[in-house]
Amino acid sequence: AQSVTQLGSHVSVSEGALVLLRCNYSSSVPPYLFWYVQYPNQGLQLLLKYTTGATLVKGINGFEAEFKKSETSFHLTKPSAHMSDAAEYFCAVSVPNFGNEKLTFGTGTRLTIIP
Amino acid sequence: EAQVTQNPRYLITVTGKKLTVTCSQNMNHEYMSWYRQDPGLGLRQIYYSMNVEVTDKGDVPEGYKVSRKEKRNFPLILESPSPNQTSLYFCASSLSPGGPPLHFGNGTRLTVT
Repeated sequence: AQSVTQLGSHVSVSEGALVLLRCNYSSSVPPYLFWYVQYPNQGLQLLLKYTTGATLVKGINGFEAEFKKSETSFHLTKPSAHMSDAAEYFCAVSVPNFGNEKLTFGTGTRLTIIP
Repeated sequence: EAQVTQNPRYLITVTGKKLTVTCSQNMNHEYMSWYRQDPGLGLRQIYYSMNVEVTDKGDVPEGYKVSRKEKRNFPLILESPSPNQTSLYFCASSLSPGGPPLHFGNGTRLTVT
């Protein structure tokens, strides 16, 4: 079974600073990896996903993530934080499973931006 | 506009009183799923459906029922709600049968007293 660990339930960064949200996964087969963002009182929106191919994945709102198989990591980064980035972020993993590629979510990281 | 619509957004009920949370999507997606979100636990899958009349249990199905009589609708039914089902619930859908959910509803916050 696959699993995801998000390091840090709360992260605070200053506006304009680098954003780094950490995600490590466990999977017995090559995984698909995702980052979702949840703004207050809203559902989750897909930020980016890795399935195969290029290991550096670019998403919406200037975010990107790099799949590192040797480190079993899929950390989310953004060079310069904006106030509008304040939200909760979820890393998720799925694996091929004969028709139900169920997503397993991490416990989430709440990102606060300091003006 | 492509969307997943859940109703109601907020619901307060008492133990044992049957309730239904509706979910509808307008994208002709085959795959639909229900999740519950609890602090410190992330999202956990309750039930999923790969197509009309095809449903199966997720990780935390106890105390819930679902049905999929039409492609667009996937209601979540709590026959006898209990306080431990107080949670934030999300419906989601995906174009790919069995594929990861890409479209989420805005959630239903349920409180059972």
